Amino acid sequence: DVKVTQSSRYLVKRTGEKVFLECVQDMDHENMFWYRQDPGLGLRLIYFSYDVKMKEKGDIPEGYSVSREKKERFSLILESASTNQTSMYLCASSLIGNQPQHFGDGTRLSIL
Amino acid sequence: AQKITQTQPGMFVQEKEAVTLDCTYDTSDPSYGLFWYKQPSSGEMIFLIYQGSYDQQNATEGRYSLNFQKARKSANLVISASQLGDSAMYFCAMRGDTNAGKSTFGDGTTLTVKP
Repeated sequence: DVKVTQSSRYLVKRTGEKVFLECVQDMDHENMFWYRQDPGLGLRLIYFSYDVKMKEKGDIPEGYSVSREKKERFSLILESASTNQTSMYLCASSLIGNQPQHFGDGTRLSIL
Repeated sequence: AQKITQTQPGMFVQEKEAVTLDCTYDTSDPSYGLFWYKQPSSGEMIFLIYQGSYDQQNATEGRYSLNFQKARKSANLVISASQLGDSAMYFCAMRGDTNAGKSTFGDGTTLTVKP
């Protein structure tokens, strides 16, 4: 079974802090993704990566950056956290092509 | 562009009965995959079932089956013998070979199983 592990299930940070969300997958997947999910807005893609050190902006990249130094790890960085970044963050990985994405358990992030 | 439409915001089903969750899609990709995910109130997104656009047979995984009608561009999820633990939000999604590997998700259907 595919295992996608997100570093924290719940996280509370303060406005202005630099926040790191980590995601690790164990299936040698080429593609990795970061989404945020908010009530009424569905899943929105922040960034994705199709290979090591490669990244592409998704639909809402503003205020975020990512890092993929190793194939199995994809980090989401909130450069200076703001209250409007309070959300559920979901990481996913997949093979290339039209294969399904497999998700981690999600991180509920609160910015105070 | 890809689009997924789930027209049922909420559905109710009696325990042990079957239920169908609707999904229609639109895409210009000649090859694509269709998926269903379950999201319980705890928040994790659980992959349920996959259907490739060139697969001749409908996909099945245990109590889940995907009713794929390519000409109608529909990919409905059928859950047989519903259980209380099936109560959750269900998302239909698709992914084509183009569009740089991005997936498109529907807005979801909330399923409530009644005892």
